[in-house]
Formats: sequence, structure tokens, C-alpha cells
Amino acid sequence: GAVVSQHPSWVICKSGTSVKIECRSLDFQATTMFWYRQFPKQSLMLMATSNEGSKATYEQGVEKDKFLINHASLTLSTLTVTSAHPEDSSFYICSANHPSGSSYEQYFGPGTRLTVT
Amino acid sequence: AQKITQTQPGMFVQEKEAVTLDCTYDTSDPSYGLFWYKQPSSGEMIFLIYQGSYDQQNATEGRYSLNFQKARKSANLVISASQLGDSAMYFCAMREGGTGRRALTFGSGTRLQVQP
Repeated sequence: GAVVSQHPSWVICKSGTSVKIECRSLDFQATTMFWYRQFPKQSLMLMATSNEGSKATYEQGVEKDKFLINHASLTLSTLTVTSAHPEDSSFYICSANHPSGSSYEQYFGPGTRLTVT
Repeated sequence: AQKITQTQPGMFVQEKEAVTLDCTYDTSDPSYGLFWYKQPSSGEMIFLIYQGSYDQQNATEGRYSLNFQKARKSANLVISASQLGDSAMYFCAMREGGTGRRALTFGSGTRLQVQP
């Protein structure tokens, strides 16, 4: 089946620095990708929808200037956490829809665990 | 209002027995899809089963089946013959709309522990 990768799988950074997380669809082109955040012992919460060639759509309460999303190609979306703070420590997961648009074909990346010290 | 509700924070089941994980949903969209995912401690989201709102029959995938009761807006996951490796978090999710181009909304999850 289709594969979505994320890099890095985990990252530790200092407070105030920026971190970039990559999400790649390896064997298909994804016009739409989604970024979710999962705090410990909680569910996945949608942060934003990443659209190739256009601006991302952010969910209410998610700061677009803090979480920069760039979907520069049909196989790559990046999430940059700017001026990271300890409260940004979380598990970030991306997903991508297969271009056929079938209702069940959404593929998740393995996730990136971010720790801000 | 919660769109996806999972009322069981934790469940225990004996190995080789069946277990049902509850999920109710709320939507006014006539076209929607319901998903179940397994999340082990590694964090990866493993797709288990899918049910479309127009599907007449309950979905099945190996030991997983989805008990879809549309009028009650419930989509319970049944795992038969539980195995130790089934111990994980289980999330019910919904996508509204008739295309695959929208995000999923997740429930709060159920932690399943399979006991030997």
C-alpha cells in the first residue's frame, strides 16, 4: 500500500529555536496533507490542512505564524515549529490522501516526537 | 458537541476472547466514513477497518469487524480471538463528506489490554 514517511522520527530542541518536520508521500502524489498533534494520553487533534501550491488552512486556535506549513511539491509538506516552547512538546503526525480520493485511503506517517527543553 | 465519542477509556480482555470497543458519532452529513485505528506504544497509526455510510453490510477485516448501526449512529469495533499483540490504544474516527479529501475527526480512544 501507499507509504508516508516523516523525518525526523524524534527531535529535541532548546526553547526559542525552530524545528522543521518533513512529511513525504513515497509512492504517490498528495495534493492534500494533514498535520495532527497528539499530546500524551490524548487523541489526535487536527492542526492544519496542507494544500499543494496554496496556503494551508489552520484549525481554530492554531497559530499560523508559529506553525508554518509549506506544501511545495506533490510529495512533500513541511511543518516548522518556530520559537518552540516546552508546551509545544508533542507527537506530530501527518497524513495524506491518495489522489484517487477514495473514502478510505488516508495514510499516516509514523509521527515525530518533539521535545522542547 | 463531540463528533466522535468513545466512552471506554480502558478495557481488559482475556486472550482468545472477543471484545467490543464502543464508538458513537454525530453528523448531519449523509455521506461519511468511519474508521478504526490501532496505535501501539510506538505511536504509528495502523488502519484496521473502514465503513462507509452507504455501505449495506458491516465491514470485516480478518479478526476485526465493525458493528454499524446507522440509526443509532454507532460503529463499534469487534475484535475476535484477542491476542496479546492487540494491546494498544484504539481510535474511532470519522470523515464527513463524499470524497477522501477531508481530515479525520478522532475520538478520545480506548486503551485495550489483553491478559494472558
